[in-house]
Amino acid sequence: RKEVEQDPGPFNVPEGATVAFNCTYSNSASQSFFWYRQDCRKEPKLLMSVYSSGNEDGRFTAQLNRASQYISLLIRDSKLSDSATYLCVVRNQAGTALIFGKGTTLSVSS
Amino acid sequence: DGGITQSPKYLFRKEGQNVTLSCEQNLNHDAMYWYRQDPGQGLRLIYYSQIVNDFQKGDIAEGYSVSREKKESFPLTVTSAQKNPTAFYLCASSIELLDGYTFGSGTRLTVV
Repeated sequence: RKEVEQDPGPFNVPEGATVAFNCTYSNSASQSFFWYRQDCRKEPKLLMSVYSSGNEDGRFTAQLNRASQYISLLIRDSKLSDSATYLCVVRNQAGTALIFGKGTTLSVSS
Repeated sequence: DGGITQSPKYLFRKEGQNVTLSCEQNLNHDAMYWYRQDPGQGLRLIYYSQIVNDFQKGDIAEGYSVSREKKESFPLTVTSAQKNPTAFYLCASSIELLDGYTFGSGTRLTVV
């Protein structure tokens, strides 16, 4: 299994749709999890941390399933401005750096 | 405003040349990192530094070198030994190892 694996997409959805991204990770000892957003030819920006109890920030909800080593991101009421690549990120086994997935591309259309 | 500044934004290198990418932060972060991103690929870790005067190799350190003489600065040198240096280089920092990163805006390096 790759360290962090994501469905590359693209996901093409209309405005107002709900879309979910999934991610699996290989290191069962990982302690930190994040979702980053990256716009075309720009740097990644932290979208949200992912906590064991799940967490929500406005239209975005992140879930963590440690038993299945699975992370998800749910976006409700999609906006045109949500179009970007979403990176699943997990801390490495040594705890010293972050491992980035290749990203899932979302395109929201009107 | 606090942040991370990378320069230059675009860099062209002739084969056989060494080039140095600058990364400066005024966030008072202890940890700093260099990643490389190729088209359609995820970010890959080149080097990281947890404190001044200390740094560690990441997954793809061959052909690269770094220094950490000051807390604010973590320059990356791409040497002629790096066989395929054309990529998007991203510098990041974090307060502590368990935190998420703040990224600079990146340097696009092209070998001509």
